[in-house]
Amino acid sequence: GQQVMQIPQYQHVQEGEDFTTYCNSSTTLSNIQWYKQRPGGHPVFLIQLVKSGEVKKQKRLTFQFGEAKKNSSLHITATQTTDVGTYFCAGRLAGTASKLTFGTGTRLQVTL
Amino acid sequence: DAGVIQSPRHEVTEMGQEVTLRCKPISGHDYLFWYRQTMMRGLELLIYFNNNVPIDDSGMPEDRFSAKMPNASFSTLKIQPSEPRDSAVYFCASMAGWGAEAFFGQGTRLTVV
Repeated sequence: GQQVMQIPQYQHVQEGEDFTTYCNSSTTLSNIQWYKQRPGGHPVFLIQLVKSGEVKKQKRLTFQFGEAKKNSSLHITATQTTDVGTYFCAGRLAGTASKLTFGTGTRLQVTL
Repeated sequence: DAGVIQSPRHEVTEMGQEVTLRCKPISGHDYLFWYRQTMMRGLELLIYFNNNVPIDDSGMPEDRFSAKMPNASFSTLKIQPSEPRDSAVYFCASMAGWGAEAFFGQGTRLTVV
């Protein structure tokens, strides 16, 4: 079964509102990556987190890796319509070498 | 580099027919992954290769699915015989090394009628 879950499955916000998606793994992760998939497109890499408790920022996006390396979050400040898409976390479960397991994804809809 | 190249982009076939999906990874990448995406099951890893060798095929749904990587620049995913429940978008992705980011192809949208 799915070992990397994301919540919420779907969120609809108005432009300018903040958005957060949470990623939870049943087992410890070696590292975690985040991808964005635009409607009709393919997943595109955003960032990778490796260290316990790590926080990284990309403009309006803030990524966190939990202390126990079992969870992660992506926060978008002041969403824009260009943020529309599905956000996936992807992790390497401890002991699974290079196997990259994707989360269930959170679909973000932004309206004016 | 043109990125990961998949063909065909769209495939419509009748139930029972053989389907072959193709992927050309980015030159120099050691890892190649095949994923299947559906609304119900999300992005599922089917199989991945390291240096052309299959490492983990535990995600391959059943014996009707097979994948090969005869050389570093080409991989195929074959479904024989195809069934309507195989309808999905199939993505190929390649990666330069352990811990690197995955680059995805545009995907093949397969419809089995």
